[in-house]
Amino acid sequence: ETGVTQSPTHLIKTRGQQVTLRCSSQSGHNTVSWYQQALGQGPQFIFQYYREEENGRGNFPPRFSGLQFPNYSSELNVNALELDDSALYLCASSPQGIQQYNEQFFGPGTRLTVL
Amino acid sequence: DAKTTQPPSMDCAEGRAANLPCNHSTISGNEYVYWYRQIHSQGPQYIIHGLKNNETNEMASLIITEDRKSSTLILPHATLRDTAVYYCIARSGNTGKLIFGQGTTLQVKP
Repeated sequence: ETGVTQSPTHLIKTRGQQVTLRCSSQSGHNTVSWYQQALGQGPQFIFQYYREEENGRGNFPPRFSGLQFPNYSSELNVNALELDDSALYLCASSPQGIQQYNEQFFGPGTRLTVL
Repeated sequence: DAKTTQPPSMDCAEGRAANLPCNHSTISGNEYVYWYRQIHSQGPQYIIHGLKNNETNEMASLIITEDRKSSTLILPHATLRDTAVYYCIARSGNTGKLIFGQGTTLQVKP
């Protein structure tokens, strides 16, 4: 069974640029959530996708957007990058939707640095 | 989702039990208590979760008080590899999001 994978591992961008981060969910999982983790802080929920639809969003501006594909993989897009967007971006997948008893399995994350 | 409170840091001797407390005094009846840990620069790792009853798996035990206002994660025989930030989360129904606090940094010492 393959776990959650994310690409790229590291990324450096400059202010104003756009970035796309990718996530492949664990086999059999149809729900993907994205989190942002600033240095020294706990992860913050960005949004979740269930069966290709956004299903819940945290306190992030519209320049953070996402997609989920029929194979349940997902992308996180961030437009007009700001310095404060520098963080570890984590993807998590879970089976069978958003039931509270389904644990989420996290990928290793993508480290984004904005200069 | 209920707020959780954890001590910022704890030490534990290798081979001894590590007991990590968590307060969640405003937890509602349908909120599960989840524990995750995060080893430096890696993604969080699921440990255990429970609603009312105590739970045990191959990694840890979760003790939830009868009034559900607090819980304790027990690592029965801590090793150096258990050094990590441990997060206690109260997760409500109908939401997929996990709300992470600052967590407890557990340092296991030889």
